[in-house]
Amino acid sequence: DVKVTQSSRYLVKRTGEKVFLECVQDMDHENMFWYRQDPGLGLRLIYFSYDVKMKEKGDIPEGYSVSREKKERFSLILESASTNQTSMYLCASSPPPWDRVMNTEAFFGQGTRLTVV
Amino acid sequence: GENVEQHPSTLSVQEGDSAVIKCTYSDSASNYFPWYKQELGKGPQLIIDIRSNVGEKKDQRIAVTLNKTAKHFSLHITETQPEDSAVYFCAAITGGGADGLTFGKGTHLIIQP
Repeated sequence: DVKVTQSSRYLVKRTGEKVFLECVQDMDHENMFWYRQDPGLGLRLIYFSYDVKMKEKGDIPEGYSVSREKKERFSLILESASTNQTSMYLCASSPPPWDRVMNTEAFFGQGTRLTVV
Repeated sequence: GENVEQHPSTLSVQEGDSAVIKCTYSDSASNYFPWYKQELGKGPQLIIDIRSNVGEKKDQRIAVTLNKTAKHFSLHITETQPEDSAVYFCAAITGGGADGLTFGKGTHLIIQP
């Protein structure tokens, strides 16, 4: 069974704090993604990575950064948390790079519900 | 970039009836269309997908249809059961593109007993 594990289910942080959300996958997947889920807005892509030390901006990267030092781990960093970053954060991973023949399933973690007060 | 519209946002059906959720996409180059189901307290999980060279795919009580000309695709659930209650997301991606899945905003499906 593919497993994507997010380190925390619930987090409460103060405005201005630096926040780290950790994600680990155990299937040796190349691709990893961070999404944010808000009511009425669906899932929006924040950042993704196709390889170690590689990162690409998604649709809403402002206020976030990421780190991928090892293939199995992808971290989302909120440099200075703000109340508008209160949300559910979902990490996902998938096998080989997307291509026209082998579009493949993305596996999601259970999510981290972050509240910034 | 890709834009995916999903309707309705909420759908309530009687147990045993059918449910249909519809999505449209904007990028004619998109060629992979998965559907994810998210149960309460869990991450989304793939339930069915379709590629652009196929018009319809079925897996037991669920089916997906794709109309490339009109750029829309639909999820059909027949003989609905209480365990079908969840939020469903459609998504689209252009194979070979340098970005992740673009998701619709989700449909909250409620199965009434």
